[in-house]
Amino acid sequence: DTAVSQTPKYLVTQMGNDKSIKCEQNLGHDTMYWYKQDSKKFLKIMFSYNNKELIINETVPNRFSPKSPDKAHLNLHINSLELGDSAVYFCASSQQPAGTDTQYFGPGTRLTVL
Amino acid sequence: SQQGEEDPQALSIQEGENATMNCSYKTSINNLQWYRQNSGRGLVHLILIRSNEREKHSGRLRVTLDTSKKSSSLLITASRAADTASYFCATVLTGTASKLTFGTGTRLQVTL
Repeated sequence: DTAVSQTPKYLVTQMGNDKSIKCEQNLGHDTMYWYKQDSKKFLKIMFSYNNKELIINETVPNRFSPKSPDKAHLNLHINSLELGDSAVYFCASSQQPAGTDTQYFGPGTRLTVL
Repeated sequence: SQQGEEDPQALSIQEGENATMNCSYKTSINNLQWYRQNSGRGLVHLILIRSNEREKHSGRLRVTLDTSKKSSSLLITASRAADTASYFCATVLTGTASKLTFGTGTRLQVTL
């Protein structure tokens, strides 16, 4: 069974559309994250939730809104998609906040905005 | 600018050789972690080394940390074709327990 899963794996959409990416972890972890990896492979954290509460919110446009309905899920909704949003988005989880514990990553969602 | 800068950006070696990747960072850290990313996949955690540790081993991996130089190295011994991947260091800054800041990555190619 996949520990951290994301859907969809690929997402191709037009500029201006709204889309969501879903993430689920079956590890029983308390903390979940969203990262963005750009075309140069640079990986940057966007959000982190601990027990459904937002604990990290980096400088991300407010078009991006995370939602954590429960500890096992952290979804990412993106409004009014722009060309620059094209990237691979990774979800991750850890038992403790990142500083003290290993993070487990999902397979990624490759978003292409046309 | 990034917290972690990795060197070299790309490394090509033959199977059986050792591979060494270096990571430098700018500010005081709580710990440093190394991750591997195979092409088109998510990251996989390799090793975590705390700021009060100098060296850690895991199988064919050896990580060193020099906090005075603000640098770490990852050594893969007796490399295999399956080690071909990108390797990232990630730091947890002192006082920011929740956040990993990733380096730029080293792309390792191991040929037969």
